[in-house]
Amino acid sequence: GNSVTQMEGPVTLSEEAFLTINCTYTATGYPSLFWYVQYPGEGLQLLLKATKADDKGSNKGFEATYRKETTSFHLEKGSVQVSDSAVYFCALTLTQGGSEKLVFGKGTKLTVNP
Amino acid sequence: NAGVTQTPKFQVLKTGQSMTLQCAQDMNHNSMYWYRQDPGMGLRLIYYSASEGTTDKGEVPNGYNVSRLNKREFSLRLESAAPSQTSVYFCASSGTGGWSGYTFGSGTRLTVV
Repeated sequence: GNSVTQMEGPVTLSEEAFLTINCTYTATGYPSLFWYVQYPGEGLQLLLKATKADDKGSNKGFEATYRKETTSFHLEKGSVQVSDSAVYFCALTLTQGGSEKLVFGKGTKLTVNP
Repeated sequence: NAGVTQTPKFQVLKTGQSMTLQCAQDMNHNSMYWYRQDPGMGLRLIYYSASEGTTDKGEVPNGYNVSRLNKREFSLRLESAAPSQTSVYFCASSGTGGWSGYTFGSGTRLTVV
């Protein structure tokens, strides 16, 4: 079936450290891929997306590249800040019943210490 | 601000009580969704509505019902709440073409005692 697997957390980093959160997927066809971020006490917000192979999504210093050959969409940031502390979800869309539905990974909690 | 509005934000129910979670969007989106979020489980789809007048089951529909009242509103009803339904519930909407992503509400934290 269609699924998303992301690295288990929690992840704890010091400010200005390099961040990688791994995400791999299993899907029939060619899904669109997303990273969502959830700050404490809030709903999910779209962080970045990629709709086809080799696309790079980027936003707020985060980036991820759609790698079809490795079925991966790893999230990276060169220098994290305390304000990046949040839960990050990798997701893909699939079309079923005439609707696009998001399938989420289980989330990775990131804590950045000053 | 445009977006998805959920009410209430918090609710405590006794086992067996019923309640309806409300969701409304003002972005003229066709599709709407209800998810629940539990620790270590990510978000799981309960029900969705591809368009006004249609609803379908998601991954975990048991114990819930939904109503797509009009294009703007999509409600989730718990007829007889159980402790296993303690969770954070999120409503979301999307336009045509899921590649644009979803817009989420801020969530309803429900506790069933």
